[in-house]
Amino acid sequence: AQSVTQLGSHVSVSEGALVLLRCNYSSSVPPYLFWYVQYPNQGLQLLLKYTSAATLVKGINGFEAEFKKSETSFHLTKPSAHMSDAAEYFCAVSDRGGAQKLVFGQGTRLTINP
Amino acid sequence: DAGVTQSPTHLIKTRGQQVTLRCSPKSGHDTVSWYQQALGQGPQFIFQYYEEEERQRGNFPDRFSGHQFPNYSSELNVNALLLGDSALYLCASSLAIAGGPRQETQYFGPGTRLLVL
Repeated sequence: AQSVTQLGSHVSVSEGALVLLRCNYSSSVPPYLFWYVQYPNQGLQLLLKYTSAATLVKGINGFEAEFKKSETSFHLTKPSAHMSDAAEYFCAVSDRGGAQKLVFGQGTRLTINP
Repeated sequence: DAGVTQSPTHLIKTRGQQVTLRCSPKSGHDTVSWYQQALGQGPQFIFQYYEEEERQRGNFPDRFSGHQFPNYSSELNVNALLLGDSALYLCASSLAIAGGPRQETQYFGPGTRLLVL
């Protein structure tokens, strides 16, 4: 069975500082990996996805993530945090076949300090 | 290009009642998945509909059922509501690859927030 662990339920950074949100996955087959963002009282918006092309994936709003098979990780980074980045971030994994249901982590709430 | 839409946005029910939630997929998409997101948790997969059939199901009881219509829209029905069913219910749509069942990226709607009293 697939699973996702997001290290740190809350992360707080200063505006302009590096954002690093950690995600480790478990999968018996080569995975597809995703990061979604959820703003208050809204649904999920796709930030980026890894589907076996380049291991460094660039997404929207300046975010990027690197797939590291040896570490079973897919950490999300942004060089310089902006106040508008404050939200809940979810890492998710799916397999490559079948119906591709998404298995989500518990989420990391990102707070940006002025 | 209309995204995924869901109705209603909010709903209050009492224990034992039944509820129906609705979802219209993004234009061009033919597959709908439903997720339950309890407060402070990540979304949990309920089931997925493709070609009007339930293709995959998560670990949810039979009280949770669904339907997909020929226009690809979908309904989620929950019977005999429990307090623990209070959650945000998210619908996601996607497009089957080369006739399916594998899917492209899932796009989420804004959700329906259900409160069971």
